Amino acid sequence: EAGVAQSPRYKIIEKRQSVAFWCNPISGHATLYWYQQILGQGPKLLIQFQNNGVVDDSQLPKDRFSAERLKGVDSTLKIQPAKLEDSAVYLCASSKERGINLNTIYFGEGSWLTVV
Amino acid sequence: AQTVTQSQPEMSVQEAETVTLSCTYDTSESDYYLFWYKQPPSRQMILVIRQEAYKQQNATENRFSVNFQKAAKSFSLKISDSQLGDAAMYFCAYHSGGYQKVTFGTGTKLQVIP
Repeated sequence: EAGVAQSPRYKIIEKRQSVAFWCNPISGHATLYWYQQILGQGPKLLIQFQNNGVVDDSQLPKDRFSAERLKGVDSTLKIQPAKLEDSAVYLCASSKERGINLNTIYFGEGSWLTVV
Repeated sequence: AQTVTQSQPEMSVQEAETVTLSCTYDTSESDYYLFWYKQPPSRQMILVIRQEAYKQQNATENRFSVNFQKAAKSFSLKISDSQLGDAAMYFCAYHSGGYQKVTFGTGTKLQVIP
């Protein structure tokens, strides 16, 4: 079974520029998560999708961050314009709600963002 | 809202010895799941072990086991026969079964001393 795929792995941009991250969850996983992890901290949930609907985006800075999950599969997280404090690893994860290992969250390798 | 507390920012253990990482959580729910994740410097989160709240038996995965005390809301991770490859950040996580919401602790950095 293929894991959660993310790209790009690394990105360096200047402040006020834009960036987009892509995620492809494990096949059949209805729930998709985007987490932001700043160095030295635990992951912070930015947005959670159930199929292509948003379940929780309470911690998403909506003035600069946006995310979509078209057709309930792939997802894109965009930051525009970026700020220095957005430097972090952006982790995509997915889980399923039925069957073996339900509710277990599987993570991708993360996308490292550095804003200079 | 659920909270997850890891009170040990850093721990160290001698190679081949046993170490226990602590985690407590606060919830009013009866249906939930608990996880321990390992995060090496590559920053990928790797599932170590999971525990369903409705199960009384403690989960075990090879050298990793948990001590789940539901009444005390405690979920500690025991690593036996520690290996150098166990060195990493360890995160405790709470998954709300009903609301599909996940909360992570602040992590414990484990150092394994040769």
